[in-house]
Amino acid sequence: QVQLQESGPGLVKPSETLPLTCSVSGYSISSGNYWGWIRQTPGKGLEWIGSMYHSGLTYYNPSLKSRVTISVDTSKSQFSLKLSSVTAADTAVYYCGRLPANSYMDVWGKGTTVTVSS
Amino acid sequence: EIVLTQSPGTLSLSPGERATLSCRASQSVSNNYLAWYQQKAGQAPKLLIYGASSTATGIPDRFSGSGSGTDFTLTISRLEPEDFAVYYCQQYGRSLTFGGGTKVEIK
Repeated sequence: QVQLQESGPGLVKPSETLPLTCSVSGYSISSGNYWGWIRQTPGKGLEWIGSMYHSGLTYYNPSLKSRVTISVDTSKSQFSLKLSSVTAADTAVYYCGRLPANSYMDVWGKGTTVTVSS
Repeated sequence: EIVLTQSPGTLSLSPGERATLSCRASQSVSNNYLAWYQQKAGQAPKLLIYGASSTATGIPDRFSGSGSGTDFTLTISRLEPEDFAVYYCQQYGRSLTFGGGTKVEIK
């Protein structure tokens, strides 16, 4: 049974980079799916951040593209998110998940809350 | 960007009743690439429907999706107590965007 778990700091200072990691278990990260990140805020709701194929092919939300990097480490069965130059507007619950063909998210992590504050 | 508008914002119904949720897109969703999710408080969303009408694994058959082009519907045939939650639609025909959600609450 595939499971995903997000990890990272719960608090990030404004202008810094938000780093999150998603650990995948019960499924090979190289098995032909996309892996990605979605965040949720009370104000903007659910927002797709970006997705990555195990080969390194990436797709990003155009509104966040200039600040987002998603990478994968197949040896550790993990993929990561880096969001630079964060502001309070980046305060959210961040979910990682599996996206068949970069479509819908069929398996979700439990989510991790990140607050941007000095 | 394809904007998804969900209505109503809140649906007040009793257990056993039928729920009909709407998702309207600002432009046609290619190949009916539309999904529905259920989210309960403090939990991650859960995939219910993909491809507008295909039910995800393990989802009860009281959940069904329909529609095409710009108008899509999620129907819950008979509400069970565990179905009271927030429901979101998401399109993946052009990038990925979500609707604002419909809360189904107990009347």
